[in-house]
Amino acid sequence: NAGVTQTPKFRVLKTGQSMTLLCAQDMNHEYMYWYRQDPGMGLRLIHYSVGEGTTAKGEVPDGYNVSRLKKQNFLLGLESAAPSQTSVYFCASSYQGTDTQYFGPGTRLTVL
Amino acid sequence: AQSVTQLGSHVSVSEGALVLLRCNYSSSVPPYLFWYVQYPNQGLQLLLKYTTGATLVKGINGFEAEFKKSETSFHLTKPSAHMSDAAEYFCAVRPSVKVIFGPGTSLSVIP
Repeated sequence: NAGVTQTPKFRVLKTGQSMTLLCAQDMNHEYMYWYRQDPGMGLRLIHYSVGEGTTAKGEVPDGYNVSRLKKQNFLLGLESAAPSQTSVYFCASSYQGTDTQYFGPGTRLTVL
Repeated sequence: AQSVTQLGSHVSVSEGALVLLRCNYSSSVPPYLFWYVQYPNQGLQLLLKYTTGATLVKGINGFEAEFKKSETSFHLTKPSAHMSDAAEYFCAVRPSVKVIFGPGTSLSVIP
């Protein structure tokens, strides 16, 4: 099993550009999450999903949108990137809501 | 609101010395508690977790943590540090679907 994979690994955007980050898991997990990691702030939850077709806002959802059209995939979109969105983005999944989360390797995004 | 505090953003220990990383949380309900480790340029991976039952939890790589409800703490320890333990460590509390992470503690191991 590949576990949780993220595409791309690195990306540089200009302010105002848009992009989509893809997260895929092959563990048949119901729950999926998007976090951003910034120095000294730990991981902050952006959006999460408790099942195919459902999404919910986390702690820092502004400027991001998500979709969960297939159980194995969870997409994170930036419609108009801003320098404040420069960060490392991690996707995670879990079988149940209180179970262990499995993390992807991360996407390093720089917005100029 | 739920929160997690990790005392010390950076901890240095000598190889072979005791590792103690502190974590305190606030939660209005009995939480699930986790410690994750992050090696450079990698995602997080689970070290150990507390759900219910025995309050002393053993994890991978010789780490363990003790849940103390009266102190709302979940400190991580390892009797003897190895060079390979150098990493970022995150404490997390999970009162519901959402997980709340602490800010992290960077552990350095000095030869």
